[in-house]
Amino acid sequence: AQSVAQPEDQVNVAEGNPLTVKCTYSVSGNPYLFWYVQYPNRGLQFLLKYITGDNLVKGSYGFEAEFNKSQTSFHLKKPSALVSDSALYFCAVRDRGAGSYQLTFGKGTKLSVIP
Amino acid sequence: ETGVTQSPTHLIKTRGQQVTLRCSSQSGHNTVSWYQQALGQGPQFIFQYYREEENGRGNFPPRFSGLQFPNYSSELNVNALELDDSALYLCASRGDSGRWNEQFFGPGTRLTVL
Repeated sequence: AQSVAQPEDQVNVAEGNPLTVKCTYSVSGNPYLFWYVQYPNRGLQFLLKYITGDNLVKGSYGFEAEFNKSQTSFHLKKPSALVSDSALYFCAVRDRGAGSYQLTFGKGTKLSVIP
Repeated sequence: ETGVTQSPTHLIKTRGQQVTLRCSSQSGHNTVSWYQQALGQGPQFIFQYYREEENGRGNFPPRFSGLQFPNYSSELNVNALELDDSALYLCASRGDSGRWNEQFFGPGTRLTVL
């Protein structure tokens, strides 16, 4: 069975500072990894994905994530946080061997960027 | 905007009732998935349809059922509603092309069961 852990319920960061939202995963094989963002009363918006190749993945709105196979982590990062980045962030995983496109999500991390 | 729409936006039902939630996928997207997001939790996979047939199911009982139509619309039906069914229900669609395309999520339907 596949699982995702987001160890921090909330992350607070000052505007302009770098941010990191942590994610670790567990799958039986090689993973597909995703980050989504959710704003209040909105659905999930895709940020970025890791399929294969370069361990550093660049995505939307200046976000990037680093895949670390040995640590089974896929932390989301941004060099300079904006107040508008404040939202709920979800990490998700799919086992490459899985027959369906089922995504398993973490519980989410609330990011608050303080002006 | 993702091009995926859901209706209604909000819904209030009482325990034991039945509910139908609707989703309209992007044109050309033959795969639709439904997720349940309880308050304070991440979305949980309910099931997936491809070209009108269910081809994947999460850990949800049979009273959760679905339909997918040729016009890229789909439904989630829940019978015998329970209080724990109160949640945000999300549908997501994806296209066929490409090795792995991301799923595009709709804004969700907030279901409250009293």
